[in-house]
Amino acid sequence: QKEVEQDPGPLSVPEGAIVSLNCTYSNSAFQYFMWYRQYSRKGPELLMYTYSSGNKEDGRFTAQVDKSSKYISLFIRDSQPSDSATYLCAMSAGKGFQKLVFGTGTRLLVSP
Amino acid sequence: KAGVTQTPRYLIKTRGQQVTLSCSPISGHRSVSWYQQTPGQGLQFLFEYFSETQRNKGNFPGRFSGRQFSNSRSEMNVSTLELGDSALYLCASRGNNEQFFGPGTRLTVL
Repeated sequence: QKEVEQDPGPLSVPEGAIVSLNCTYSNSAFQYFMWYRQYSRKGPELLMYTYSSGNKEDGRFTAQVDKSSKYISLFIRDSQPSDSATYLCAMSAGKGFQKLVFGTGTRLLVSP
Repeated sequence: KAGVTQTPRYLIKTRGQQVTLSCSPISGHRSVSWYQQTPGQGLQFLFEYFSETQRNKGNFPGRFSGRQFSNSRSEMNVSTLELGDSALYLCASRGNNEQFFGPGTRLTVL
């Protein structure tokens, strides 16, 4: 079983919908949690970065971490066709971005 | 400022050959990490270099190696290539509490 599980999708939504993306994990040592967006033929781009449990908001994006349930979420409000991409969760037991463990990614399709 | 540069962008090799990939981090960043991305396994951590020293290592065989130069540029080498080494190899440049990935090198092993 993988340390980080993520539904591969694809997740198809209409423009303007609220999108919920999730990951579960098994390693209780994870302290840092990230969400990346990856467009086809590009490297991952960091969207959100949180430490320990709680919520963090940045524009249309909200990240939630529930360490007691070993569950993290990314919410995208007012989704746009340009949000169509693969979303990867990542976690680290070390400091910040060290030795990241990634989920396999969820492919999101936002239709106009 | 300039982003993370990886060269070459595409590479085709045959089994048994070796390959060297290069990564130039963002100016001022001293840490470079390498990741392998495949459809089945996703992104997997290979190793991290900081100030020319390997600081962390993932669970890959010894055929995968790397190094970092005094200007923070990094190379990774894969010897005795296998079909399963076909992947997108990404490097990540880190510093000042920020991290950026490069566009990757797409390696195909025939």
